[in-house]
Amino acid sequence: AQKITQTQPGMFVQEKEAVTLDCTYDTSDQSYGLFWYKQPSSGEMIFLIYQGSYDEQNATEGRYSLNFQKARKSANLVISASQLGDSAMYFCAMRGGASGSARQLTFGSGTQLTVLP
Amino acid sequence: GAVVSQHPSWVICKSGTSVKIECRSLDFQATTMFWYRQFPKQSLMLMATSNEGSKATYEQGVEKDKFLINHASLTLSTLTVTSAHPEDSSFYICSASTTRHNQPQHFGDGTRLSIL
Repeated sequence: AQKITQTQPGMFVQEKEAVTLDCTYDTSDQSYGLFWYKQPSSGEMIFLIYQGSYDEQNATEGRYSLNFQKARKSANLVISASQLGDSAMYFCAMRGGASGSARQLTFGSGTQLTVLP
Repeated sequence: GAVVSQHPSWVICKSGTSVKIECRSLDFQATTMFWYRQFPKQSLMLMATSNEGSKATYEQGVEKDKFLINHASLTLSTLTVTSAHPEDSSFYICSASTTRHNQPQHFGDGTRLSIL
């Protein structure tokens, strides 16, 4: 069974500062993928960043980077230079198993990020 | 990028009504789609996995007869909430993905369902 843990129900950050959202995971799969999604109050799920279990380098997408520590089973999201529009719920998710089948995502409980002006 | 369209965005209807929600993958073929339910300030809860041309796979505790899923083509899955009651009021969201492991699931914009 797979499990994603997000221990921060809510986080506050000052505009233009960086913030780290924590995510730890547990899986018995050797091959898996880790995803971060942003969900603003309007409800849509916005894909932010992906990290594969065999990727040697940490993923980066613009202001988003993923601090992947495989031995610790953590995949923290770092948002640099926070903007007011970053205020949203953030979900960490994992998909396990090898390629060839569209497998479901396992979601964490989410972190509500509020960016302060 | 890949787009998933979900319709309607919101529904308000009377108790006892059946409501159909559509989920379409617009620019790729999705053999598998997923249906989630989300309560306020909570995470997404997987309801069922919709497989093109075969029966959906429901998660434990989800009533198959209450939540009917049809995946008749590679681009369309529907969720029908039958004889809806106020406790069925929720945010329902679908997603679709290819079989490529490193491709994210793409989500529809969700449907807010309110049963009076």
